[in-house]
Amino acid sequence: ETGVTQSPTHLIKTRGQQVTLRCSSQSGHNTVSWYQQALGQGPQFIFQYYREEENGRGNFPPRFSGLQFPNYSSELNVNALELDDSALYLCASSLSWGTSGGAGDTQYFGPGTRLTVL
Amino acid sequence: QKEVEQDPGPLSVPEGAIVSLNCTYSNSAFQYFMWYRQYSRKGPELLMYTYSSGNKEDGRFTAQVDKSSKYISLFIRDSQPSDSATYLCAMNTGFQKLVFGTGTRLLVSP
Repeated sequence: ETGVTQSPTHLIKTRGQQVTLRCSSQSGHNTVSWYQQALGQGPQFIFQYYREEENGRGNFPPRFSGLQFPNYSSELNVNALELDDSALYLCASSLSWGTSGGAGDTQYFGPGTRLTVL
Repeated sequence: QKEVEQDPGPLSVPEGAIVSLNCTYSNSAFQYFMWYRQYSRKGPELLMYTYSSGNKEDGRFTAQVDKSSKYISLFIRDSQPSDSATYLCAMNTGFQKLVFGTGTRLLVSP
């Protein structure tokens, strides 16, 4: 067990709706990263938060947004859902020594939230 | 061309076999290399973490990195049915964005 939890486990939404996914990091971890994993693919980096500020973003549109809170929890929000947003959403927590990362910044993943968009 | 290439498999082996899993990559700036194991409908679990070139061993698992060839490998000795999972290679430059391969599905039959 990594100590990283996510909720809900599964979610079904319709196209155009909005969704909020939640993650609770390991205690003491100051960095959370979110990934999207489509079926049969490896995880794709969405964005990362370090000490409650966005610290890097992958090739995802602005309708994907996030928040990180002081209590080691975080959220991923997706607006105007599209069919292609159907995927497993993973959060990963780590302890960083700065915004540039480095040795020892091992990322520990939660079990994921499976989102289905109809 | 993807930054990280990995054969999706499936790779089927009998119990006790030595398994070799591989990834190639194109970005010479990658310095940190990881292997994650992912069971069906679960999150990835970190198996091995290697910095730069060289070998690292942990029990039945050995990770190898050859930066000159941009090639990394994971060897599993004495494979067990419980090793059946998808194995993901991942790497980064130090900045924390991880770049993953597509994953190789491994099936170990009793």
